[in-house]
Formats: sequence, structure tokens, C-alpha cells
Amino acid sequence: QKEVEQNSGPLSVPEGAIASLNCTYSDRGSQSFFWYRQYSGKSPELIMFIYSNGDKEDGRFTAQLNKASQYVSLLIRDSQPSDSATYLCAGFTGTASKLTFGTGTRLQVTL
Amino acid sequence: DGGITQSPKYLFRKEGQNVTLSCEQNLNHDAMYWYRQDPGQGLRLIYYSQIVNDFQKGDIAEGYSVSREKKESFPLTVTSAQKNPTAFYLCASSAFLGHTTDGGYTFGSGTRLTVV
Repeated sequence: QKEVEQNSGPLSVPEGAIASLNCTYSDRGSQSFFWYRQYSGKSPELIMFIYSNGDKEDGRFTAQLNKASQYVSLLIRDSQPSDSATYLCAGFTGTASKLTFGTGTRLQVTL
Repeated sequence: DGGITQSPKYLFRKEGQNVTLSCEQNLNHDAMYWYRQDPGQGLRLIYYSQIVNDFQKGDIAEGYSVSREKKESFPLTVTSAQKNPTAFYLCASSAFLGHTTDGGYTFGSGTRLTVV
């Protein structure tokens, strides 16, 4: 079982809709979670991080964490074509002192 | 501006040749990491270092070597023992660990290595 799992997609949503990206993790010791966006041929860039149960909002992005269910999600409101990218979920465990990445979900926002 | 710099952007390796990828950061970060990315396989950890003169193997260290003689620098050597080195290589750094919000990584722009 992979430590951090994501559906590879592609997830296709129309422009203006809400995109919902999901991630599950197996290590209950994971303390915080990070969402990275990666455009084709480019390096990942940090969008958001979350370490408390509940929701965290930043502009059009909302990260959600449910530690009991070991589930993390990223919502993108009013999706734009420029949001089309691969989204990487990563979990941080203090004891391991490193991030563990999922394989990423490819998002396509259609006109 | 603070950041992390990888060079070269593109690198071509001949069979049996060792090549070294450069990674330099001026963020004063303690930890540095090397990842390999292949299509459809996400990021796989090669090596990481939390302090100078110390480094740990990641999940796919065979055929690679690193050094950490300075806090700012963490070069990766792809040796001839790595039989399938063609990939996108990413270097990252982070402030030390311990505090959950400091666990995020800053990535360099990557080096694309191709075997010719």
C-alpha cells in the first residue's frame, strides 16, 4: 500500500466549476499535508498546507483535512484553464523528517 | 532573492559516463533533497540530507551518490551503475523539521537528463 494515494486522473471540469482533488494516507503519524501544483515540464510549486482538522481557505483554494478518515482534499472554486496541471499531495511525518508524495492527479479545465 | 538553483537545465549523458547535477540554495535551509520524476510515477526520493556532512539514502539510491560539504550545496552524481538515468531530476530544500509548518519544500527548476 502506498503511503499517500491519489487518483491519477485526468479529472476534467468545465471552466467556472469546482474541482475536487482527493488524497488518502496510511501513516497516522503524518502531521501536516501539502498541495503542490506542477505544470508540464516544470517543478512543483506549493499551493497550500494544512495541519489541523477542518478547512483552510486561501483565495479560490480550500484544503480539507480529516485525520480520523486519513483523508485530505483540495477544492478549487471557479476553475480556470490556467489551473490545468498535475496536483501533488504530500504528507509530512516528523519522525521520518521528510515529505512523502502521492503520484499526482492531472486536472483539465475545459472551456 | 532567496531561492534554489539547479544546473544545468538539460544534460546529456553517454553510456558509461558519470555526470554531476548541481543544486545550490541561499535560503539558509538545513535540509536538502533529490527526487527523480518519471512520467506517471510521481516523485521518488533518491537522497536527502538534514545537516552538513550527513546524508541518508532514499527509496531509489542505487546508482547515485551525493555529498553535503556546505550547507548551501547538495550535488548529485549519476554514476554509470544507474542503468536507466533518463528522467527529470528535482532538488528541494526545507527549513528544519520539527515544526509542522516548516515541513514544506522549495523546489529548484529541475534538470532533465537524457542518455544518448
